[in-house]
Amino acid sequence: DAKTTQPTSMDCAEGRAANLPCNHSTISGNEYVYWYRQIHSQGPQYIIHGLKNNETNEMASLIITEDRKSSTLILPHATLRDTAVYYCIVSSHGSSNTGKLIFGQGTTLQVKP
Amino acid sequence: DAGVIQSPRHEVTEMGQEVTLRCKPISGHNSLFWYRQTMMRGLELLIYFNNNVPIDDSGMPEDRFSAKMPNASFSTLKIQPSEPRDSAVYFCASSFSGGTGGANYGYTFGSGTRLTVV
Repeated sequence: DAKTTQPTSMDCAEGRAANLPCNHSTISGNEYVYWYRQIHSQGPQYIIHGLKNNETNEMASLIITEDRKSSTLILPHATLRDTAVYYCIVSSHGSSNTGKLIFGQGTTLQVKP
Repeated sequence: DAGVIQSPRHEVTEMGQEVTLRCKPISGHNSLFWYRQTMMRGLELLIYFNNNVPIDDSGMPEDRFSAKMPNASFSTLKIQPSEPRDSAVYFCASSFSGGTGGANYGYTFGSGTRLTVV
């Protein structure tokens, strides 16, 4: 599975959009981009995933570049409860592959009042 | 749905003792994963099962660690004998993996078991 590169930490003002970048230049054609977050002392929480197209759900938006070598997770209106470690992961899938997720160090997002 | 259920939430044991961690995945999920998290090493995948069959146990650190999944609704991770360096938070996660051409629809993690070996 391809590796990812994320900034170690970021700050964001409450109510503003948080844009979290991720580089995955060695991503393969069948690998998805997944985003998870982990709030202190809790298990990681699934946010969103995508293959080629941009995706949006009730939590966030995922923007994937046309060459798929990088992506950005957007939290449109960050709140204090969004303070967490955000993990960007790329993972393959298929009938014999369950698409295991390998977590890196992630980005620690601090939302400030 | 109660989500992925792990027990116990906290475990304190003495070095050399056997420790068994338990996990009940979400009904209908066909994949189960065991992770370990420490400050030094982050989240590490230990082993995962698909349709109750172990697929990849390359992350299991030593022979002292073993995992079983006797049926679709239960899994255990056992450490025997335990050592202080095994102290960590152990997470179980489950997901539905939709066969050929299907993406993994995201993992659901349990609340974890915090293990302290003294």
